[in-house]
Parts: sequence; structure tokens; C-alpha cells
Amino acid sequence: AQSVAQPEDQVKVAEGNPLTVKCTYSVSGNPYLFWYVQYPNRGLQFLLKYITGDNLVKGSYGFEAEFNKSQTSFHLKKPSALVSDSALYFCAVRALYNFNKFYFGSGTKLNVKP
Amino acid sequence: DVKVTQSSRYLVKRTGEKVFLECVQDMDHENMFWYRQDPGLGLRLIYFSYDVKMKEKGDIPEGYSVSREKKERFSLILESASTNQTSMYLCASSEFTGLEAFFGQGTRLTVV
Repeated sequence: AQSVAQPEDQVKVAEGNPLTVKCTYSVSGNPYLFWYVQYPNRGLQFLLKYITGDNLVKGSYGFEAEFNKSQTSFHLKKPSALVSDSALYFCAVRALYNFNKFYFGSGTKLNVKP
Repeated sequence: DVKVTQSSRYLVKRTGEKVFLECVQDMDHENMFWYRQDPGLGLRLIYFSYDVKMKEKGDIPEGYSVSREKKERFSLILESASTNQTSMYLCASSEFTGLEAFFGQGTRLTVV
């Protein structure tokens, strides 16, 4: 069965410090992995994706994510957090063998304090 | 840029009403999705469509139906709205293979 887990409901970090939002996945075959961000009362915005190639993927707004096949993880990172990064973050995996459905984690609320 | 447009940002309906949520995308995407978002539960797939007139149930289809008569439009129908269908509804579209999904701005539905 395919699934995505985000073990932390909330992550708090001070502005200027590095941040990590964790994601682990379970999927048959090669994973297609995504990170999205959601601001209050808005839809989801695409941040970055891993399809194949380099394990470190760079995306929008200075975010990056590291794909680790052995640990089945795809953690989102940023070297220096901004207050404006405060939002809800979702990890997702796409199941290519199953009508290309997307499976989302439960979300992690990132709180960046000034 | 891809644009996915949902017909309403906020909607208030009465219990028992038939409710239509409309979604239109402008990128000729094959796949379209309806999700429901509730706190602590993430996004749960209600229905999706991989082509015109084709649909598949997601994880929580009960109480919902969908219609896709044209490629660009995917409608979610609540046959008889109930208070437990109060939620944020998100529509998304994507190309068929391997690429990201693009989301609409969401419709916050309240059933009273």
C-alpha cells in the first residue's frame, strides 16, 4: 500500500536558523515525490519534486529536499528560515501504477518566530 | 502558467440541499482531482478523473458524485448536503504522467 507520513504536526524554528520538515513514504516501484505549501485559506502551491537523478532537489523560495531511498525519506530543508515561511507544508507521493493518484501526508505546520 | 479555478471561495448551504462545486483548468490536463481537507487529516481524495466521462472513486466517495463532460471542467456534487460535509474542498489537475498537480484556491463549504 502507498502512504506518506509526516511525523511532526508542528515545527518551530527561529528566523535565520535552518529548518527541516520530515516526510517518509511507502510506495510500490520508483517514487515520484512532491512538496507543497499552503497559506491560510488558500490552495496548495507546488514547491519542488523528485522524479529521478540527483538526490538533492532545489525548489522555489530557497527550499530544497533530500531524497533518501534506503530510509524512504524526502525531508524538506531550508538553510535560513524566514517569518514568511510560516505555513502548512504537505508531502505527497504519486502512484504511477494506480491511475497516477497523489497521496498526501497529514501536513506539518511550520512556525518561524522573529 | 497553469490556472485551476474553483467557482466559489466560500459557500454556505443548508442540510439536504444539492450542492455543486465547479472546477475549471486551462492547461488541457488529462487528470483532475477533488480533495477534501480537514485539520489533522491532511488531504483525502474524494474522486478523480483521468479522461472525459471517466471517473474513479477515491478514498472517501460516500455522499459525493462527480461529472466530467468536458476536459477542462470537473464538478463535485453533494447529493444531499450534511453537516459532516463542512470542509475545505480542493480541486487539482495534472498531466497524466509523473508531473506535479496544480491546485485551485479552494472552496470552504459550510453546511448548516
